[in-house]
This record gives sequence, structure tokens and C-alpha cells, in this order.
Amino acid sequence: QVHLVQSGGEVKKPGASAKVSCKASGYTISNHGLTWVRQAPGQGLEWMGWVNTYTGTTNYAQNFQGRVTMTTDKSTSTSYMELRGLTSDDTAVYYCARLGLEGDYEDYWGQGTLITVSS
Amino acid sequence: EIVLTQSPATLSLSPGERATLSCRASQSFDNFLAWYQQKPGQAPRLLIYEASKRVTGIPARFSGSGSGTDFTLTISSLEPEDFAVYYCQQRSRWWTFGPGTKVEIK
Repeated sequence: QVHLVQSGGEVKKPGASAKVSCKASGYTISNHGLTWVRQAPGQGLEWMGWVNTYTGTTNYAQNFQGRVTMTTDKSTSTSYMELRGLTSDDTAVYYCARLGLEGDYEDYWGQGTLITVSS
Repeated sequence: EIVLTQSPATLSLSPGERATLSCRASQSFDNFLAWYQQKPGQAPRLLIYEASKRVTGIPARFSGSGSGTDFTLTISSLEPEDFAVYYCQQRSRWWTFGPGTKVEIK
């Protein structure tokens, strides 16, 4: 069965970087793209971007361009999302999701990773 | 970037009632519009994609419609498990989510 297991929560200082991992099991990671979505406490969903796990092609939301990098290590079936220049506004739960449905829609989600930015 | 507006922000209904949720876009786009359900402490769950296609396993009481800039999610008869927050999402060049509609028990 398909599982996406994300790394654990972290506390970061303002200005630091956070790198969240998303380890896939139950399928070949390069067969389906991944998308990243975040949710600040008590707020709505915010799309961050997607990565083609086969080619490495990415498409980042305008709000994150220049500050986010999404990569995939096929040898470990793990995808990563790194966000740089953290501020308190980046405090959120970060989700990865597999784009496995027709039309590249999400069928499986990770459990979420809470990144807290605090001095 | 296409901006999505959802209305109402909160919908107070009783089980068995019909829920009609609206999603309006700042500009027209191809019907790559999806609806998600999210319950507290859980990841979102895809219900509808490409405006009207129901995901396998989603009950038939959920339906999506609309085109251009106006889209609707309808829940024909609310079940207790349907009380949640619903988001629409568009997929033009950059994807965006609407702010959500909370469906709460009246």
C-alpha cells in the first residue's frame, strides 16, 4: 500500500532554512509527481508547488519563487522541500501529496510536518 | 495569478439538508477546478476534480458543477461526517486555493 511519511516537526530561527522530507513507499516515486501544500495555524490551504519526480522539473507558486526548492532522490524514494529565509509567517503544517489520480490530482497525502519559526 | 473567492464563509445547516457552496474565480480558466474536504487535524481529501468528476469512493451526494468563473459544490443531503471545511482549487499556470467554506452543524 502507498504511504508518504514526512519528517518530524522542527523549530527554526528567523532567517534560517527548513528542509522537509517526504518518503514514499508502496510505489515507485518517479512514477508520479508530488505537490506541496502548507497550512498556517487556523488558516486555509496554500499551494507551494509541484515536482516531477522523474525529470526534476518544478513549478513553484509565485509567492515562493526564489525561496523554495523541491527535489527528489530516486535512490531513497524521498522527495524534499526546502524553504529559505524563514519568517514567523512561515509557521505552518507542510504537506506533501502524490499526484496519482487522472489529471494529476492528489490521491495520497503525507501526515504533515509542523515547522515553527520563532526566535 | 487567479484569485478564488468562496461563499459563504460559514454555512450552518442540519443533517439531511442540502448544502450549496460557491467558488468564484477572478478570471475565466479551463475547468481544472477541484474541491477538497478537510477535517480538523487531517490532511485535505480530494472530492471533485475537473469541476464535476467525482473521485472514486466519494459518495454520490457530492457533486460539482460550473464553468468559466463560477463553480458550485453541492452536497445533496448532509451526513454527520460531512461537517468540515471545503476548499476549491484552480489549476491554471499556478495553482491556488480558495479561502474555504466551513459547513457547521446548526
